[in-house]
Amino acid sequence: GAGVSQSPSNKVTEKGKDVELRCDPISGHTALYWYRQSLGQGLEFLIYFQGNSAPDKSGLPSDRFSAERTGGSVSTLTIQRTQQEDSAVYLCASSQPGTSTYEQYFGPGTRLTVT
Amino acid sequence: GNSVTQMEGPVTLSEEAFLTINCTYTATGYPSLFWYVQYPGEGLQLLLKATKADDKGSNKGFEATYRKETTSFHLEKGSVQVSDSAVYFCALSDQGGNKLVFGAGTILRVKS
Repeated sequence: GAGVSQSPSNKVTEKGKDVELRCDPISGHTALYWYRQSLGQGLEFLIYFQGNSAPDKSGLPSDRFSAERTGGSVSTLTIQRTQQEDSAVYLCASSQPGTSTYEQYFGPGTRLTVT
Repeated sequence: GNSVTQMEGPVTLSEEAFLTINCTYTATGYPSLFWYVQYPGEGLQLLLKATKADDKGSNKGFEATYRKETTSFHLEKGSVQVSDSAVYFCALSDQGGNKLVFGAGTILRVKS
């Protein structure tokens, strides 16, 4: 079946603008994760959803970052008042809890550039 | 908290050379361990995994063994190819499985 998809693939925005990044997980996967990959910080966890609720938001770097998930499927990561340090590749992953390995499948990412 | 430490790169090898990328971890309990690979211009792909002590994960000629006594999960391949050039990430998932903790990544360059 289809893998994890993300849109847009690239986003260039001006400092101070808001952006929304979208993730479509693998059908039937109830767990969804957002990560950020940047040169200085490597791969960082941002937030985890189980269904529509987010039991772990510990990686969100500031209150400018928020995420939601609806219908147990699509998720949107919103960054308000973007700053240059928000420039990174934002990765989404999904998995099916209950399996023994907690294997996560990643999307291609959204490259965000804040000018 | 949980953490993963990988050997720094870049690692540059000639084709058909033996590869080892070291990975050690700190975690409570019994995490699952993973190697992910990121080829140039592509997304993260799971390379192999192991869920308990002494398990050996293997795929595409790569192997890694979950060593609880040394808290290690070193990646090995007997004969690398140019097409193996990529960034390799070691990662762990805690028993709750709610997030992956990644190492910094190791760049591998294979010359023909």
